[in-house]
Amino acid sequence: GQQLNQSPQSMFIQEGEDVSMNCTSSSIFNTWLWYKQDPGEGPVLLIALYKAGELTSNGRLTAQFGITRKDSFLNISASIPSDVGIYFCAGLEAGGTSYGKLTFGQGTILTVHP
Amino acid sequence: NAGVTQTPKFQVLKTGQSMTLQCAQDMNHEYMSWYRQDPGMGLRLIHYSVGAGITDQGEVPNGYNVSRSTTEDFPLRLLSAAPSQTSVYFCASSYSRLAGQYFGPGTRLTVT
Repeated sequence: GQQLNQSPQSMFIQEGEDVSMNCTSSSIFNTWLWYKQDPGEGPVLLIALYKAGELTSNGRLTAQFGITRKDSFLNISASIPSDVGIYFCAGLEAGGTSYGKLTFGQGTILTVHP
Repeated sequence: NAGVTQTPKFQVLKTGQSMTLQCAQDMNHEYMSWYRQDPGMGLRLIHYSVGAGITDQGEVPNGYNVSRSTTEDFPLRLLSAAPSQTSVYFCASSYSRLAGQYFGPGTRLTVT
């Protein structure tokens, strides 16, 4: 089935640094989503991307839907301690029997040192 | 808006017991779904619904039932709990199947 490779698996950064993480897939997606999950909480939708090439920002977060529709990246600028958490990419398929299937990446664990 | 709400937050069951996990959303979303999250397995789809009266199976449906009598509510029923169903369960909703899904806070279930 569809596989999403998310990297890096974990990051340890200093407060104020910029962060970049990405996801790649073996096939195309019609929608790319980025979520953040804090311990004991549900995933929170950060950014949704619906068109190839789309670049969208949400405060200090910026995400792009790759032109090939097989990849996406998320950047966080000027990190702060509350950015700590697990970030997931997810892709939505629109073809055939996989219509509406949401596939998640393995997650990137972000640690921010004050 | 409360978004997606789930109850209970924690639950302990004995093997063989049944229970219903509640999920409600106040965003008038047509699409609702249930996932379970296990270490090393990520989020896996159990059941989903594209509207009131319409449900379908996801990736891991065995041992679970759902119904969708209203747009707002999508309960998940465990028929006869087994230790393998120990997990964190998340409900999610979106305005369509191809839109970003909003997740509830989760129900942490332990089956002994």
